[in-house]
Parts: sequence; structure tokens; C-alpha cells
Amino acid sequence: KQEVTQIPAALSVPEGENLVLNCSFTDSAIYNLQWFRQDPGKGLTSLLLIQSSQREQTSGRLNASLDKSSGRSTLYIAASQPGDSATYLCAVEDAGKSTFGDGTTLTVKP
Amino acid sequence: EAGVAQSPRYKIIEKRQSVAFWCNPISGHATLYWYQQILGQGPKLLIQFQNNGVVDDSQLPKDRFSAERLKGVDSTLKIQPAKLEDSAVYLCASSLLSGGHNTGELFFGEGSRLTVL
Repeated sequence: KQEVTQIPAALSVPEGENLVLNCSFTDSAIYNLQWFRQDPGKGLTSLLLIQSSQREQTSGRLNASLDKSSGRSTLYIAASQPGDSATYLCAVEDAGKSTFGDGTTLTVKP
Repeated sequence: EAGVAQSPRYKIIEKRQSVAFWCNPISGHATLYWYQQILGQGPKLLIQFQNNGVVDDSQLPKDRFSAERLKGVDSTLKIQPAKLEDSAVYLCASSLLSGGHNTGELFFGEGSRLTVL
């Protein structure tokens, strides 16, 4: 059974800092990994999707990497802003089913 | 392009009552999912449809939960009778691909928040 872990559960940084969020999974036989953002009371917004054959994806200030062999992914956020404050979740897909971590709640202080 | 639509956004009921949630996925998306998200946790899959067939309902509490996707488009999730522990956000998602192995990028609706008193 796939298990996805995100550590830390919460993170607080000053504005402008670069930061890394972590996601680990137990079964490396995945098809893709997706990072989401969730604002309070809202649904999940897709940030980046990495296929199993890819090593990384970039969108603006966000860069996600994938290391299947070690069961890890990282989401790098450059030059953080208060508007980046949200919960970030990762999900891995295997056999057509996605398993989510519990997320990391990020607070960026002005 | 319109996103995944869900209604109602909020619902408050008493235990043992019934409730229904509706979802309209992105046009053309073959796969539709219902997730339950309890505060502070990641979404947990309840049921997955491909077109109008059920792919996975292994985590659906079938004694009280039911779901259908008529004509392979929109879907309803029903809870009857509700329990206190059903208080959660019910998220609908859809994805373009089908085929069972790699369904591609997931797109979520805003969710329906249920409070059971």
C-alpha cells in the first residue's frame, strides 16, 4: 500500500526566502507525481505534474524534482511572497489511483 | 475553459439525516473522483469512475454512501444516514485520460463542506 509523507507539517519563513518542501513515498513504481496548493476553505489547485520518466518540472518561481529510486520529491519556491501562504500537498499516482500526503502549511511573513 | 463545478458549497445537517452532493467535471474528462478531506489531512479517495463505470470504490462506506455517474458526465454522492464522523469536505476531481494506469493531471472543484451535528 502506497504511503505518502510530507515533513514538516508546518513551516514559517520571512518574505524573500527560498524554501524547499519535501514529499516522500514508499512504493517507487509510480506513474506520476503532482504538487497542489490549497488555500483555506478552497479546493486543490494543480501546480506541477511530473511524469515518472521526468526528473523535474518548472513553472515560474516553482521547481519540482522527482527521484523515484529514493521515493522523494521536492518543491522549491524561490523568493517567497506572503501570497504563497497556503497548504501544499503532493500526490503520487500508481495503478490509476492517487495517494495524497497530509500537506505542509506554509506561512510567509511580510 | 470551465473548471470542475460542485454544489452545494456548504451543508449543515443533523446526524441520521441524508445529504447529496453534485459534481460536473471538466468537459471531455473521462475520469471522475470523489474524495473526502478531513481537517488537517490530505484527501482520501472514496470512489473513482471512468466514463459511467466504477473503477475503484474500495474505500466507500457502502452501508451509508452511494454515488452514481449517469451518462458519463456529472455525478452525485449521497450519504444516508449521516454520522458525526462524516463531517468533512467532499472534493470532486476529474482527469482527461482513462485507461487505468496513468490518468494524468487532476483538476479539483471547490469542494462541499459538510457539518453533521
